[in-house]
Amino acid sequence: GENVEQHPSTLSVQEGDSAVIKCTYSDSASNYFPWYKQELGKRPQLIIDIRSNVGEKKDQRIAVTLNKTAKHFSLHITETQPEDSAVYFCAASLPREYGGATNKLIFGTGTLLAVQP
Amino acid sequence: DTAVSQTPKYLVTQMGNDKSIKCEQNLGHDTMYWYKQDSKKFLKIMFSYNNKELIINETVPNRFSPKSPDKAHLNLHINSLELGDSAVYFCASSHSMDRVHEQYFGPGTRLTVT
Repeated sequence: GENVEQHPSTLSVQEGDSAVIKCTYSDSASNYFPWYKQELGKRPQLIIDIRSNVGEKKDQRIAVTLNKTAKHFSLHITETQPEDSAVYFCAASLPREYGGATNKLIFGTGTLLAVQP
Repeated sequence: DTAVSQTPKYLVTQMGNDKSIKCEQNLGHDTMYWYKQDSKKFLKIMFSYNNKELIINETVPNRFSPKSPDKAHLNLHINSLELGDSAVYFCASSHSMDRVHEQYFGPGTRLTVT
C-alpha cells in the first residue's frame, strides 16, 4: 500500500521567513496530494492540494510543488506569520483503478511549524 | 451553520465500558469517514462510508463498529474499551466517490480511557 513520509517533524522560523515542508510517497500511481493545517486543539483543514497532472500550484503565500519522477511534493509558505504556527500534514491518495479506494488519504506524520515573532 | 459536527467533544470512561460517538454533516455529502489521531498526532483512516455503504475498513479491532443510518450520519460504537483506544477521533465528509474531493473534518472527540 501507499506510504507517506514527511520531514521535518518540527520547524521553527522567524516571522517573515519562508518555511518548506517535504513529503515523499511510495506508490507512483498516487494522483492527489492535499495539505492540511491543524491548529492546536482544532480540526485539520485543507489549505491547498495538487493533482498529478500539474507540477505547481499557488494560493497567496502558500504553494505546493510536485515531482512525480522523484515521488515527492513540498509545501512552501512565504512571509510566515505567527498565525501560521500549527501542525501541517501532507497526504496522498491512490485512484481506485490502482487498488485504492477513491478518497482514501494516507497522511504523513505531521510537521509542527512554530513561527517566532 | 456547522458543517460537520460530533458529539460528545470529550469522553472519559473506564476500561471495559462501551461507548458511542455520533457524527452528522449538513453539507449534503455522500461520503463520510472516521479517523483516529493518536498522542503523536498521527492521523489514520479507520472507516469510510459512501451513501450508507461501507467502503473502507482498515485494520481496526472488531470492537469498533461504525453505523450509518443515513448518508448524513456516521456513528462509531466501541465495545470493551482499552487504554490504547485513548485518542482523538475525527469524523469527516467529502462530496462523493466519483473522484478525490476535499475532506471536511469535524471538531473531534477526545476519548480518554482510564
